[in-house]
Amino acid sequence: AQSVTQLDSHVSVSEGTPVLLRCNYSSSYSPSLFWYVQHPNKGLQLLLKYTSAATLVKGINGFEAEFKKSETSFHLTKPSAHMSDAAEYFCVLYTGGFKTIFGAGTRLFVKA
Amino acid sequence: DTGVSQDPRHKITKRGQNVTFRCDPISEHNRLYWYRQTLGQGPEFLTYFQNEAQLEKSRLLSDRFSAERPKGSFSTLEIQRTEQGDSAMYLCASSPNVAGGAYEQYFGPGTRLTVT
Repeated sequence: AQSVTQLDSHVSVSEGTPVLLRCNYSSSYSPSLFWYVQHPNKGLQLLLKYTSAATLVKGINGFEAEFKKSETSFHLTKPSAHMSDAAEYFCVLYTGGFKTIFGAGTRLFVKA
Repeated sequence: DTGVSQDPRHKITKRGQNVTFRCDPISEHNRLYWYRQTLGQGPEFLTYFQNEAQLEKSRLLSDRFSAERPKGSFSTLEIQRTEQGDSAMYLCASSPNVAGGAYEQYFGPGTRLTVT
């Protein structure tokens, strides 16, 4: 079965400290994985994607994610949080057959 | 390229009424998707079009829901006999036809439906 699990529903960090948002997946196929961000009252925006090329993927706004097949993980990181990073983040699995599965989301809070 | 647009942005309707939402994808994107997102949850896949053909439907799409994409351009999602459980944000996304299947989707702002 295909599934995506975001391990934390909420993460709170201080501005300037590292961010780690955790995502595990289950897939019978070679997965394509994405991270999207959703700011309040705004549409979903793609942060980065993994499609079987380099396992360390760099995205926009200083975010990056590492695909680890042995751990079935695709965690999102950023070295230094900014207030503008406060948003909802979704890990997404493309299963083939044009169906995509979203995780439940992680709400990131950034404290001044 | 003006992005994916959806209309209306908000819809309030009474239980039992029919509603229709429209999505205009990015021009030249031949793939189009509909999702439903409820509060505190990630978007749930509803259906997928490649050009005018509806190729995939979720079991979430009951017989009260119907989607069309005439001529492979804009798409409509209709909900008949609305129920309070239909209250949600309905998202539309489009993507280009990328060889190999891996793609990124561009999302519209969504239509928020409230059924009273």
